[in-house]
Amino acid sequence: SQKIEQNSEALNIQEGKTATLTCNYTNYSPAYLQWYRQDPGRGPVFLLLIRENEKEKRKERLKVTFDTTLKQSLFHITASQPADSATYLCALASLPMDTGRRALTFGSGTRLQVQP
Amino acid sequence: ETGVTQTPRHLVMGMTNKKSLKCEQHLGHNAMYWYKQSAKKPLELMFVYNFKEQTENNSVPSRFSPECPNSSHLFLHLHTLQPEDSALYLCASGSGEPAKNIQYFGAGTRLSVL
Repeated sequence: SQKIEQNSEALNIQEGKTATLTCNYTNYSPAYLQWYRQDPGRGPVFLLLIRENEKEKRKERLKVTFDTTLKQSLFHITASQPADSATYLCALASLPMDTGRRALTFGSGTRLQVQP
Repeated sequence: ETGVTQTPRHLVMGMTNKKSLKCEQHLGHNAMYWYKQSAKKPLELMFVYNFKEQTENNSVPSRFSPECPNSSHLFLHLHTLQPEDSALYLCASGSGEPAKNIQYFGAGTRLSVL
């Protein structure tokens, strides 16, 4: 069966360090992968999308890698700040897609805590 | 502000009550979704609507009844719920663009069933 795994244990790091979160998947051939941020009591907010033919994507302090051989995506936050503390979700969408209107499949998320 | 508004934000109901959750999107999207989020579990897709037509129903119990009168509004009608239905219910919209399908979520309704 298809499975998306994110580390269920919280990740605690010191301010200024780089946070690295992992998303592993099995029995998927995702066309692209997305990362979302979710704060307590709020809905997820889209951060980054990376396609299967892209190795790396950057946006400000965020970097995402996508290794379809390892079936893994890594999400990095450099120079982390306490305001980055949240739960981060990865989401996959596979081909074929009926014009892309199908919903994504989400991982359970990893909580990041950045200590000042 | 994500452009997707959900009401109410919190709801407490008994197992015999009937209530409705409302979602409205101001993004001009064609697709709308209901998700359930329970503690420590992934988002569970419940229903998908494209251009007001239901295109997915992920084996959701009939005590949950969706309604999509137009592409901007989505409702989830609740009746005779069980305590295990207590969760955060999230609405999302998407452009349906094949290459992306980025989802825009509302803040959710925190539902407690007593």
